[in-house]
Amino acid sequence: GAVVSQHPSRVICKSGTSVKIECRSLDFQATTMFWYRQFPKQSLMLMATSNEGSKATYEQGVEKDKFLINHASLTLSTLTVTSAHPEDSSFYICSARRGSGGNTIYFGEGSWLTVV
Amino acid sequence: AQTVTQSQPEMSVQEAETVTLSCTYDTSENNYYLFWYKQPPSRQMILVIRQEAYKQQNATENRFSVNFQKAAKSFSLKISDSQLGDTAMYFCAFMGVNAGGTSYGKLTFGQGTILTVHP
Repeated sequence: GAVVSQHPSRVICKSGTSVKIECRSLDFQATTMFWYRQFPKQSLMLMATSNEGSKATYEQGVEKDKFLINHASLTLSTLTVTSAHPEDSSFYICSARRGSGGNTIYFGEGSWLTVV
Repeated sequence: AQTVTQSQPEMSVQEAETVTLSCTYDTSENNYYLFWYKQPPSRQMILVIRQEAYKQQNATENRFSVNFQKAAKSFSLKISDSQLGDTAMYFCAFMGVNAGGTSYGKLTFGQGTILTVHP
């Protein structure tokens, strides 16, 4: 079956540094990927839609300059948290849709970010 | 914009019994998908069941079934013969579909319900 892989699964970084999280579709092409954020015991909140070959679309209230998204190929989207602060500590999870109109969504395993 | 509401923060059930998780949603779209996802402590999102709005028949997957009431915008999940492995957080989610039948791909989630199955 389709697999979406996220890396790293856990990362600890110091305040003020940047950290990159990768979301990769392993056996299908994903023109669109999605990035969500989840605080403990809370729901998943969509941060942005990552579009292959074009700029990401950010949800209201999400800082574009802080959460940089790059979707340079049909199988890879990256989320870079810039100048990380402790309040950015969270669980980040990506999803991908097969092809351009698929109605099946595949999730990555998620990434725990801790900013110290 | 659409909203998804899960009004039960926590539920518990005895092993082998049946439990129903509630979900209501609000949308102006006519065509869409509804999902139930399971999120165990590993945080992996596991698709439990999917319902297409234009299908009147309720979806069923083994012990999991839904009661989809489109007019009432209600989408509840029934888990029969509950097992200890069903213990997890459950999310109801909505995904819109455009007039051409293409999904937008992004999901709107409810607040989640923590389900605990007791032995």
